Amino acid sequence: DQQVKQNSPSLSVQEGRISILNCDYTNSMFDYFLWYKKYPAEGPTFLISISSIKDKNEDGRFTVFLNKSAKHLSLHIVPSQPGDSAVYFCAASQYNQAGTALIFGKGTTLSVSS
Amino acid sequence: EAGVVQSPRYKIIEKKQPVAFWCNPISGHNTLYWYRQNLGQGPELLIRYENEEAVDDSQLPKDRFSAERLKGVDSTLKIQPAELGDSAVYLCASSLMTGAASGNTIYFGEGSWLTVV
Repeated sequence: DQQVKQNSPSLSVQEGRISILNCDYTNSMFDYFLWYKKYPAEGPTFLISISSIKDKNEDGRFTVFLNKSAKHLSLHIVPSQPGDSAVYFCAASQYNQAGTALIFGKGTTLSVSS
Repeated sequence: EAGVVQSPRYKIIEKKQPVAFWCNPISGHNTLYWYRQNLGQGPELLIRYENEEAVDDSQLPKDRFSAERLKGVDSTLKIQPAELGDSAVYLCASSLMTGAASGNTIYFGEGSWLTVV
């Protein structure tokens, strides 16, 4: 049973427009959420994160919104650039007996056309 | 500062053969992770180390997979014998301390791409 879901496998956006990537989760015990970006043949790189005590975190062109009641978060990229084309993974941090672990979604492939 | 270094980048082996992956985390990072990423999926945790101690290996298939982190720095992940379903990208990651939290970013290496034929 997938605890972190990215229901859109792909998204296409024109350069300069807004990209909105969505993520849903099922475990209400998740306390920290992250977005990673991955280019082909490279490892994921950290993009932005948000704690469960906040509902918004902004870093330049990237903003993450968290709606705890809906168990939903989204990543907004404004304005989108061709270099943003990559796979974006949503991840959630879960505390268990052994500490914490990151649970990843399946990813959304973003294509930004010029 | 060097990032997380993994080798080999690519490996093709026949089923039933052994294979090993090596990881050198970022200097000073106490926590080391091994993840596996199957095609079209997100990374899944295999094992997590705090220094030289494996603190979470609940998802590691122990019948054929083994890992070690001697001296709490470098780590190796071994598969013996490999099966066709083991074809995946094996990602090593490290962080300064345990857990995802503000200021404790988890950094990934480029991955070791395994194909079992």
